[in-house]
Amino acid sequence: GAGVSQSPSNKVTEKGKDVELRCDPISGHTALYWYRQSLGQGLEFLIYFQGNSAPDKSGLPSDRFSAERTGGSVSTLTIQRTQQEDSAVYLCASSSDLGQPQHFGDGTRLSIL
Amino acid sequence: AQSVTQPDIHITVSEGASLELRCNYSYGATPYLFWYVQSPGQGLQLLLKYFSGDTLVQGIKGFEAEFKRSQSSFNLRKPSVHWSDAAEYFCAVANELFSGGYNKLIFGAGTRLAVHP
Repeated sequence: GAGVSQSPSNKVTEKGKDVELRCDPISGHTALYWYRQSLGQGLEFLIYFQGNSAPDKSGLPSDRFSAERTGGSVSTLTIQRTQQEDSAVYLCASSSDLGQPQHFGDGTRLSIL
Repeated sequence: AQSVTQPDIHITVSEGASLELRCNYSYGATPYLFWYVQSPGQGLQLLLKYFSGDTLVQGIKGFEAEFKRSQSSFNLRKPSVHWSDAAEYFCAVANELFSGGYNKLIFGAGTRLAVHP
């Protein structure tokens, strides 16, 4: 069975460019989460989606960050006008419902030059 | 605000030795508690979780953890470490939602485990 799939696995871009990171959750999972793992801040929650409810965006660090989830499945995390401090590994997780274990993808390593 | 403290950044043990990784949390009520493991270049794998009930929780790969409310701790243990256990270990806590269940995880800084042959 497929796990959580993230693409690309690595992304290098120049400061000021926009980037899109993709997450394919486990089929049938209604909850989807984005976390960021960086040297300075450790593992931080960014945003989560649950079914058709409004997403919890409380962890997004600035208005340059946004995410959407289309059709209750695939999610895209977008970072506009990237800064060097955005360099991190972005992890996606999904669960079959709130309260069920979160299954993580292998992450996208983002490097801002 | 909730927080998780893992006091040990790096631990080295010999293969076959016992292991205990420490985790302390700050939360008013009984939290949901988790231990995850991360191998290099990979995502997080859930080792075990505690929601309620028996305070000694068994997980995968021979790990166990004990919830101690009086010490606000949830330490991870393994009686005999294998070389393949070398990885980074994260303790995490989550709020219980009003409707039940939990959502976002708050992680500790992690403990990197090295295993000597």
